[in-house]
Amino acid sequence: KAGVTQTPRYLIKTRGQQVTLSCSPISGHRSVSWYQQTPGQGLQFLFEYFSETQRNKGNFPGRFSGRQFSNSRSEMNVSTLELGDSALYLCASSLNQGGTYEQYFGPGTRLTVT
Amino acid sequence: SQQGEEDPQALSIQEGENATMNCSYKTSINNLQWYRQNSGRGLVHLILIRSNEREKHSGRLRVTLDTSKKSSSLLITASRAADTASYFCVLKSNYQLIWGAGTKLIIKP
Repeated sequence: KAGVTQTPRYLIKTRGQQVTLSCSPISGHRSVSWYQQTPGQGLQFLFEYFSETQRNKGNFPGRFSGRQFSNSRSEMNVSTLELGDSALYLCASSLNQGGTYEQYFGPGTRLTVT
Repeated sequence: SQQGEEDPQALSIQEGENATMNCSYKTSINNLQWYRQNSGRGLVHLILIRSNEREKHSGRLRVTLDTSKKSSSLLITASRAADTASYFCVLKSNYQLIWGAGTKLIIKP
């Protein structure tokens, strides 16, 4: 079974631009969660999607948004990029929502904002 | 803060020794999970222990959960160089997963 894939793996953007990251979950998994990880930090939860609906949301500004498609693939969008948005963005898929089952993580997208 | 707090923040031991990491929390939980992150394999799920369980084993890993003390521990026995990584405890509380800042474990050869 293929793992979680994220594209692109690396991205360099300038302040003020917007970016879209993509995540394909493991086949059969309906929950997709997004996290931001900065150096030396744990994971900061962004949001979780299940069956195309956002189920949970972390404490991030409205510049961070996401969506999930009918095939469970998910995208995350960050508008008006700031230097502080530079981070590793991780996507995780799970069978069900809300942490009932373990999460399987993708390799991440490393975003650098200059 | 609701998040789990791992202790210690960093741990360095000799290969072959046992490593123990602790996680304390304040909220009520449904389950508690441990994850490992290293540069080679990324973030990997290690073990999940439910709130009605007290101990679980998986290979060289042993996890305990004491809900009365709101704490959990992860024991890695006979450590290997490949165990060098950051270890995170993750709390499931209602429908949210709450991540701690992690313990950085270094295994010296």
